[in-house]
Amino acid sequence: EVQLVESGGGSVQPGRSLRLSCAASGFTFDDYAMHWVRQPPGKGLEWVSGISWNSGIATYADSVKGRFTISRDNAKNSLYLQMNSLRPEDTALYYCAKDLYYNNGPFDLWGQGTLVTVSS
Amino acid sequence: EIVLTQSPGTLSLSPGERATLSCRASQSIDSSFLAWYQQKHGQAPRLLIYGASNRATGIPDRFSGSGSGTDFTLTISRLEPEDFAVYYCQQYVSIPPKTFGGGTKVEI
Repeated sequence: EVQLVESGGGSVQPGRSLRLSCAASGFTFDDYAMHWVRQPPGKGLEWVSGISWNSGIATYADSVKGRFTISRDNAKNSLYLQMNSLRPEDTALYYCAKDLYYNNGPFDLWGQGTLVTVSS
Repeated sequence: EIVLTQSPGTLSLSPGERATLSCRASQSIDSSFLAWYQQKHGQAPRLLIYGASNRATGIPDRFSGSGSGTDFTLTISRLEPEDFAVYYCQQYVSIPPKTFGGGTKVEI
């Protein structure tokens, strides 16, 4: 089955760190770019970060630049998001999403999301 | 940063009616890099349209996309009960961020 499964979410205090994981299956993972998209409760979608098929290009939204790091392990069919210096405004459902292409496409497969709550 | 503005915020229609959703960009974008997504309550988004007018795999032909430059439209020709959801446009040009619009809720 073609799917993405996120894990690693939870409740943390401001300033702490969290690492999200996304396990991919059912497709050739290293053929495609991958992304993280978040959605605060009751609000719209915000693209967070993306990484090309070979990890050669990693890009970030200004709101997370310098605090979050995206990475992937093609041998393990896995995508990661290291989130440091977390803020209350980072509270959201975090989705892992597959690019339609090896780079710079729309997102044609999404996971069900993992919830991150940042609160004291 | 390219800002996408969707209108209206909410569209109240009945099954069988036609829905027309608008997405306006703050600057001209190549239509090859404009997508539409559907999100039902409690579910992940689903890709409907990419390249402004190309239906994604498995998307019924009652969904169509059009537009160029700064103005793009998603049309649902005849609303089915399962089409009532929130719709987002997205631009995915190479320079980040790959922004989404604020969404249009299509309600009964």
